[in-house]
Amino acid sequence: DTGVSQNPRHKITKRGQNVTFRCDPISEHNRLYWYRQTLGQGPEFLTYFQNEAQLEKSRLLSDRFSAERPKGSFSTLEIQRTEQGDSAMYLCASSWRAPSSRGNTIYFGEGSWLTVV
Amino acid sequence: AQKITQTQPGMFVQEKEAVTLDCTYDTSDPSYGLFWYKQPSSGEMIFLIYQGSYDQQNATEGRYSLNFQKARKSANLVISASQLGDSAMYFCAMRGAYYGNNRLAFGKGNQVVVIP
Repeated sequence: DTGVSQNPRHKITKRGQNVTFRCDPISEHNRLYWYRQTLGQGPEFLTYFQNEAQLEKSRLLSDRFSAERPKGSFSTLEIQRTEQGDSAMYLCASSWRAPSSRGNTIYFGEGSWLTVV
Repeated sequence: AQKITQTQPGMFVQEKEAVTLDCTYDTSDPSYGLFWYKQPSSGEMIFLIYQGSYDQQNATEGRYSLNFQKARKSANLVISASQLGDSAMYFCAMRGAYYGNNRLAFGKGNQVVVIP
């Protein structure tokens, strides 16, 4: 399977605990994105990497959230001191270039569901 | 601001019939791109079709076509010959300079259920 891979697919955690999600993008893609999706909403942009550099961050990415892409390949998204409002699906995506055409679109993974109890 | 609006309630469509999903957008950018994604219950966002703001023709990809009306700022998705596997949420998204060329702004989605 050469698509975007995310794990774990589901995570239930107690409020206040830390969680980490991993994303493996499509191998030849140098751009990696994290989005968050809550029930009844479309995905919302969180952050974007080009290779190992984190170039954009949304204001949604509070200081409890940190994303890394240390070698320009896989990425991790860590949420510290989780809150119930963090319950959502966290989607990772990758692309070769900026989303500007049929051939330069963003490809998404299946997402990681987080439930904070 | 840049905004995508999808306001249709959940839709039931008979198998083999066509369905149109509405999407309107608001942007002041002269250059932008419009995307449609399908999200089945598994969660993955599957790319369907793309329309560039300067494209002269409406985009088509197999059974998917995009009815792009630039002056009205609408980019409706048409799915022809619906199949049971088309049951999913469908999201319209836009990329533009205002929101950042590396970001997609999504609407709230349209729910489609195909019935045999």
